[in-house]
Amino acid sequence: AIRMTQSPSSFSASTGDRVTITCRASQGISSYLAWYQQNPGKAPKLLIFAASTLQSGVPSRFSGSGSGTDFTLTISCLQSEDFATYYCQQYYSYPRTFGQGTKVEIK
Amino acid sequence: EVQLLESGGGLVQPGGSLRLSCAASGFTFSSYAMSWVRQAPGKGLEWVSGISDSGDTTYYADSVKGRFTISRDNSKNTLYLQMNSLRAEDTAVYYCAKDYSCSGGTCYIPFDYWGQGTLVTVSS
Repeated sequence: AIRMTQSPSSFSASTGDRVTITCRASQGISSYLAWYQQNPGKAPKLLIFAASTLQSGVPSRFSGSGSGTDFTLTISCLQSEDFATYYCQQYYSYPRTFGQGTKVEIK
Repeated sequence: EVQLLESGGGLVQPGGSLRLSCAASGFTFSSYAMSWVRQAPGKGLEWVSGISDSGDTTYYADSVKGRFTISRDNSKNTLYLQMNSLRAEDTAVYYCAKDYSCSGGTCYIPFDYWGQGTLVTVSS
């Protein structure tokens, strides 16, 4: 199975900050990478697919980049509603695998 | 409007069985691969099982292989997960989601729709 490793596991930030989360795959996955946002008690919400394609309705402050094994999710100007947990996932092959998650907390 | 509605969760003893259902509406269910994803309390997301659009091909995480069976009834727009030999570590919220697939040269957006989840608790 392809292992997905996110970093950091958690961090604190302030509204208005630019934040970056990284995700590394244990083998090449081309651009078959998605990012999700999850709030407590809610289902995950797709933010980005194909590594850099913004899902419809997602604010443009979210962006993704990378291909192969190294990927990043960037939030250009953190808003209050962005404090949540973020997951990367590869859909290059089965079994689908997720990163362990990155919790973004209020500083 | 796309909807995925899970049901069938509950409290079951270790070694017991449970069948989850996911009723789909608002899209052509038979055109898409589907998956089950779970989340143990306070933990991250874990993909559990997937099935092709026709139901001919199934996939499982090692943690559930041989114990869980995924299936679908395209005539009823419903996805299933039969869970046998349940263990305490299977305790989680189980989500169904529309998986990534391609057909006729068109590839669909992966995991853009999720259900609200159903809680499975394995405890004596």
